[in-house]
Formats: sequence, structure tokens, C-alpha cells
Amino acid sequence: AQRVTQPEKLLSVFKGAPVELKCNYSYSGSPELFWYVQYSRQRLQLLLRHISRESIKGFTADLNKGETSFHLKKPFAQEEDSAMYYCALSPMNRDDKIIFGKGTRLHILP
Amino acid sequence: DVKVTQSSRYLVKRTGEKVFLECVQDMDHENMFWYRQDPGLGLRLIYFSYDVKMKEKGDIPEGYSVSREKKERFSLILESASTNQTSMYLCASSKQGRSNQPQHFGDGTRLSIL
Repeated sequence: AQRVTQPEKLLSVFKGAPVELKCNYSYSGSPELFWYVQYSRQRLQLLLRHISRESIKGFTADLNKGETSFHLKKPFAQEEDSAMYYCALSPMNRDDKIIFGKGTRLHILP
Repeated sequence: DVKVTQSSRYLVKRTGEKVFLECVQDMDHENMFWYRQDPGLGLRLIYFSYDVKMKEKGDIPEGYSVSREKKERFSLILESASTNQTSMYLCASSKQGRSNQPQHFGDGTRLSIL
């Protein structure tokens, strides 16, 4: 079954500490993975996608096909990183639907 | 910049009413989606559409229907609203061509059913 799992509902991290938001997926083919972010009172927006291999707002995510993971990382947390983060899987087959994880709320402590 | 506009930010309706949520996008995207967002449950897909007059059921279509008469507009309809449909509703659109294009979201409609 196709599935995206974000094991943590809430993650609290001190400012300046490293951040890792976990995402594991289950999919038989070769999907594309995304991270979306929703800041307080703002719309849900794309943060990054694995094929871009870029760093956005200091965040990176590497697709590990062996472990079927796509963890989001940032070496030094900032207060403005506090938000809701969703991992999403987009299948290569157009007939399969995009799948979102249940989200992780990141809370940066001062 | 892609703009996805949902007609209402907040909406209060009564049980049994027929409710219409409207969504318009201005980037000529082929794909449009309706989700509901609930704490602890994340985003759940209600319906989606890859073309005008085309619709596909998502994961939780019961109690909902949709209409896509024009490419830019995708309407979600609650046939007979119930209290368990109180939620945040998000509309999204994406470009077609390949299935893995990122989605662009609207601001959401917070719907309360009394």
C-alpha cells in the first residue's frame, strides 16, 4: 500500500540546534517526494522537492531509496522555522493520487 | 506567481444546508484538487479533476460532490451539510504533463456546520 509516514506529530527544538523532520514512504515504483510548509496564518506552500537537490531556507532533504526515507534537515534552527511541515509523495503514474503525511508541527524554542 | 483563490475564508452553515465552496486559479493549470485539513489527520483528498467536466474521487468523497465546468474553477459541494464536515478546506492546482508537478494551494476556507 502507498503510504507516507511522519512519525512525530510535534517536534520541539531549541533555536540554533539541528532539526530533523522524519518522513518514510511506502511505494512500489519511483515516486517524487516533496516537503510542504504552512506558517501560521499562511497558505500551504512548497518548500522543496527531491529532484531539485537544492537548499531552501537552509533546509535540505535527501531521498534514500534504500531506507525509503526523505528526512528534512537544517543544521541550525531559527525561530521563523516554527510551522507545520508535510511530506508528500507524488507517484509517476498519473492515475495514482498524491499522498500527504499527517504532518509534523515544528516548534522552535527561544 | 500562481494564484489560487477560495471564495470565503470563513463560512458558517447549518446542518442540512447545501454548501458551495468555490475555487479559482489563474495559471491555466489542468489539475485541481479539494482537500480537508484536520488536526492529527493531515490533508485528506476529497475529489480531484484533471480536465474540464472530469472528476475523480479521492480518499473521502462521501457527502461531497464537485463541479468543473470551466478550466479555472473547481467547486466543492456539500449536498446536505453535517457537523462532521466542520473543517478547513483547501483547494489546490497543478500543471499537467507529468504527475509529479507541485501543487499550489489557496488560503483555505474554515467551514463550521452548526
